[in-house]
Amino acid sequence: QKEVEQDPGPLSVPEGAIVSLNCTYSNSAFQYFMWYRQYSRKGPELLMYTYSSGNKEDGRFTAQVDKSSKYISLFIRDSQPSDTATYLCAAVFISGNTPLVFGKGTRLSVIA
Amino acid sequence: EADIYQTPRYLVIGTGKKITLECSQTMGHDKMYWYQQDPGMELHLIHYSYGVNSTEKGDLSSESTVSRIRTEHFPLTLESARPSHTSQYLCASSEPGTGANYGYTFGSGTRLTVV
Repeated sequence: QKEVEQDPGPLSVPEGAIVSLNCTYSNSAFQYFMWYRQYSRKGPELLMYTYSSGNKEDGRFTAQVDKSSKYISLFIRDSQPSDTATYLCAAVFISGNTPLVFGKGTRLSVIA
Repeated sequence: EADIYQTPRYLVIGTGKKITLECSQTMGHDKMYWYQQDPGMELHLIHYSYGVNSTEKGDLSSESTVSRIRTEHFPLTLESARPSHTSQYLCASSEPGTGANYGYTFGSGTRLTVV
């Protein structure tokens, strides 16, 4: 079992939809959680990060962590065609002395 | 403007050749990483380094080596390229510390084809 599990999709939604992307993790020692966005043929870019449980909002994006259920979510409101990309979740221990553990990534297409 | 640079951007090379993929960053980051990623597939950690003269193997490190002689430079070498090495190679770096510093900055990648 991978430490961070993510449904690879693909997920296709109409423009303007609310998108929910999810990951689960198995190691309760993870404390920092991140979402990366990767456009086709590019390297991933950090979208958001959260510490421990709770929500964090940045424009149309909201990251949510539920440590009790070991569940990580990214919500995209009013989705745009420019949101079409692969979204990867990642987790790391509080010490930061080991590499990030990435999920496999979910491919999202937003159709105009 | 990218702060982490990978060269070459594309490379087509014959089987058995020795190749070095270059990665340089201008951010002074201590931590650097190499990942392999097939199109539409997950990231696989090949090697990482937490500072000069420090290197560690990742999950997929066989058949490649790295060196870290300077903070800003982290080259990846394949001693004998094989068609199975055809993939995209991504370099990343991060700061030491906590919180958002754990986030990686990725390069644009080197797309390698071994024929």
